[in-house]
Amino acid sequence: GENVEQHPSTLSVQEGDSAVIKCTYSDSASNYFPWYKQELGKGPQLIIDIRSNVGEKKDQRIAVTLNKTAKHFSLHITETQPEDSAVYFCAASKSSAAGNKLTFGGGTRVLVKP
Amino acid sequence: KAGVTQTPRYLIKTRGQQVTLSCSPISGHRSVSWYQQTPGQGLQFLFEYFSETQRNKGNFPGRFSGRQFSNSRSEMNVSTLELGDSALYLCASSLVRDKNYGYTFGSGTRLTVV
Repeated sequence: GENVEQHPSTLSVQEGDSAVIKCTYSDSASNYFPWYKQELGKGPQLIIDIRSNVGEKKDQRIAVTLNKTAKHFSLHITETQPEDSAVYFCAASKSSAAGNKLTFGGGTRVLVKP
Repeated sequence: KAGVTQTPRYLIKTRGQQVTLSCSPISGHRSVSWYQQTPGQGLQFLFEYFSETQRNKGNFPGRFSGRQFSNSRSEMNVSTLELGDSALYLCASSLVRDKNYGYTFGSGTRLTVV
């Protein structure tokens, strides 16, 4: 089955700096890659996603890149703010009429220091 | 638009008991998935339901079961609880069936088994 590895497990950045989180996946059939942000006491919140027919996607300060050949994708947060502090999860999935499921990475705890 | 609602938010059960957790998806969403989140294993897929049918199942023992009703609300049941079942159980709903789409998570039910 699919395996997703995520690095680093913790990331501390100064406010205003950029943060980069990297994930690799094992199943070349995976074609959907969402990123989730989870704050304390809440469920994961989708912040951006990318499909395998796209190499890059951007939404304000957040961008995701996908390299299908190398089977890795990354989350980039620019101009970080204290409210960006949270745990971030990458995930991978493949479309299937038999059902869909997300395989998650282990998470990255991001701390933005003011 | 109301989000995904999970009840109860917190539960304390004794080993050997059973528990039922409830999930109300976003109105119009017909796909409901369940995930278990623990510090050690991270986010793991339990099962997915669409139109009252289980379409996909994760690698969990038969003590974990679920169902979906005609109004798309879903329940999951864990029988003969073990200490290791202590976790945050998350429900996610999605609009589309055959294509991965933005899953929206609820805030989860925190289950503690003592």
